[in-house]
Amino acid sequence: EIVLTQSPEFQSVTPKEKVTITCRTSQSIGSSLHWYQQKPDQSPKLLIKYASQSFSGVPSRFSGSGSGTDFTLTINSLEAEDAATYYCHQSSSLPLTFGGGTKVEIK
Amino acid sequence: QVQLVESGGGVVQPGRSLRLSCAASGFTFSTYAMHWVRQGPGKGLEWVAVISYDGTNKYYADSVKGRFTISRDNSRNTLSLQMNGLRAEDTAVYFCATGGGSYYNGYDIWGQGTMVTVSS
Repeated sequence: EIVLTQSPEFQSVTPKEKVTITCRTSQSIGSSLHWYQQKPDQSPKLLIKYASQSFSGVPSRFSGSGSGTDFTLTINSLEAEDAATYYCHQSSSLPLTFGGGTKVEIK
Repeated sequence: QVQLVESGGGVVQPGRSLRLSCAASGFTFSTYAMHWVRQGPGKGLEWVAVISYDGTNKYYADSVKGRFTISRDNSRNTLSLQMNGLRAEDTAVYFCATGGGSYYNGYDIWGQGTMVTVSS
């Protein structure tokens, strides 16, 4: 099983600040890494697929990068509506696995 | 409108069974691989199972293998999860999700989830 380690687990950020979340995988997965945003009592929403491809309708301040074992989700100029928990997810091999999540709070 | 709607959750005693359903609409269900993903109270996301577009292939997380069965009815655009031998650790919101015909896509369609509570 491929283990995904996200960091940090929690981040308190001021609006307009830049946020960087990392996801490290226990083995190389190429670019088979996706990012989701989940707000309380909602289902997750796809932000970035295959490491760097923005999903339709997602604001341009969200971007992804990386390949192999190290990946990054960047939120440029954080907005209040971005308060949420963010998860990475690998689809390189079964069993599919998720990172533990990063909670982003707005100061 | 593309939509997945789960149903069937509830409170069940340990060792008992429950069957979840997921109704799909707005897309060609019969060409999509379908997944179940769960989230325990205050916890992260956990992949549970996947079924191929035609129901031929099924894969499970080790935590549910031998107890849960995923199935689908393409004539009714419905996905199911039969859960037997339920344990307290199965308590979670269960989501159905899909990303297209391959197992290996990100999930761009999610249901709203249905809550399963296993408690005596």
